[in-house]
Amino acid sequence: GQNIDQPTEMTATEGAIVQINCTYQTSGFNGLFWYQQHAGEAPTFLSYNVLDGLEEKGRFSSFLSRSKGYSYLLLKELQMKDSASYLCAATDSNYQLIWGAGTKLIIKP
Amino acid sequence: DAGITQSPRHKVTETGTPVTLRCHQTENHRYMYWYRQDPGHGLRLIHYSYGVKDTDKGEVSDGYSVSRSKTEDFLLTLESATSSQTSVYFCAISEGEGSYNEQFFGPGTRLTVL
Repeated sequence: GQNIDQPTEMTATEGAIVQINCTYQTSGFNGLFWYQQHAGEAPTFLSYNVLDGLEEKGRFSSFLSRSKGYSYLLLKELQMKDSASYLCAATDSNYQLIWGAGTKLIIKP
Repeated sequence: DAGITQSPRHKVTETGTPVTLRCHQTENHRYMYWYRQDPGHGLRLIHYSYGVKDTDKGEVSDGYSVSRSKTEDFLLTLESATSSQTSVYFCAISEGEGSYNEQFFGPGTRLTVL
């Protein structure tokens, strides 16, 4: 079957680093997306990984291992505004996205 | 921000009534999508469109139909609403095919079916 798994909730401290993991099992995998969604708002794009390795974009980095079916989103120098849900999505065999349920990140002062 | 709007933003309706949600974009993007988002579930694709009058089913299409008569508008219709269709509905657009390209999301429509 096709499946995306990510932790339901994580808590971290302002200024710290947090890593949000995502494991996926899809046929026809072509890439993995991370989106951010603040409560009551629409998702917004963070990153897209196709090749293995780490891609850095400011305070956010995303890693992909295709052989392990694994990705993570790394957030550095956490700020209160980073409190949000982080959605992982991978391509399925029909070239559509399968979405994880999201990880709610709570940032404490 | 991508020019994408949804209407209505909130709607309460009764079981058995028809409901139409509208998505409007000003970006001239080819691809448009309707998703629903429920607690404990990821976004689930209902229907998508890859051009005017070109649509296809997604993962959870039963009970929903769509139409796209113009590039800028994508309508989602619940022919006879049921309580299980209570959800937040998001429209999204992408310039290229969505599994390779960033999708831009509308603000969402919160639908309650009593």
